[in-house]
Amino acid sequence: GDSVTQMEGPVTLSEEAFLTINCTYTATGYPSLFWYVQYPGEGLQLLLKATKADDKGSNKGFEATYRKETTSFHLEKGSVQVSDSAVYFCALSRFQTGANNLFFGTGTRLTVIP
Amino acid sequence: GAGVSQSPSNKVTEKGKDVELRCDPISGHTALYWYRQSLGQGLEFLIYFQGNSAPDKSGLPSDRFSAERTGGSVSTLTIQRTQQEDSAVYLCASSLFGKGANEQFFGPGTRLTVL
Repeated sequence: GDSVTQMEGPVTLSEEAFLTINCTYTATGYPSLFWYVQYPGEGLQLLLKATKADDKGSNKGFEATYRKETTSFHLEKGSVQVSDSAVYFCALSRFQTGANNLFFGTGTRLTVIP
Repeated sequence: GAGVSQSPSNKVTEKGKDVELRCDPISGHTALYWYRQSLGQGLEFLIYFQGNSAPDKSGLPSDRFSAERTGGSVSTLTIQRTQQEDSAVYLCASSLFGKGANEQFFGPGTRLTVL
């Protein structure tokens, strides 16, 4: 079945450090891939998405590239800020083939210290 | 515009009681989803509505859980005879069906605590 595996947390980084959160997926067909973020005390928000192989999603300095050959969608940011502290969820959807719900990874908690 | 709203934001109940959780999706969004976020289980899909019908109920954990949607808008998730393992944050999301990559917009959630 469809599933998402993401890097276990928590991750603690100093401000301006480079961030990578790994995400790999298992799915039939061609899923769409997402990163959602949950800031402290807030709801889930879409951070970025990619709908086909080699697409790069980007937002707020974060990037992720849809790699079909490695079934991965790793999240990266070149220089993190304290305000990036949150829980990050990788997710997939096979909307095009009728499976409408999102499959989420377990989430990775990021803490950025000044 | 207004986002997805949910009520109540917090609900504390006693084991064995019934609870109703409400979701008001973004106006015009025809698709509505319920998820559950709990420690140790992560984010789990519960049920999906397209309009007023629920073509996918595969995530409902037991027959104590049910949901309905009326007028293609507001949805209610009902949990009967609550158990302590039902304690979780219940999230509702909506999307504009058929558009884009099924980007879902989430509400703030209802935190349910079963004593």
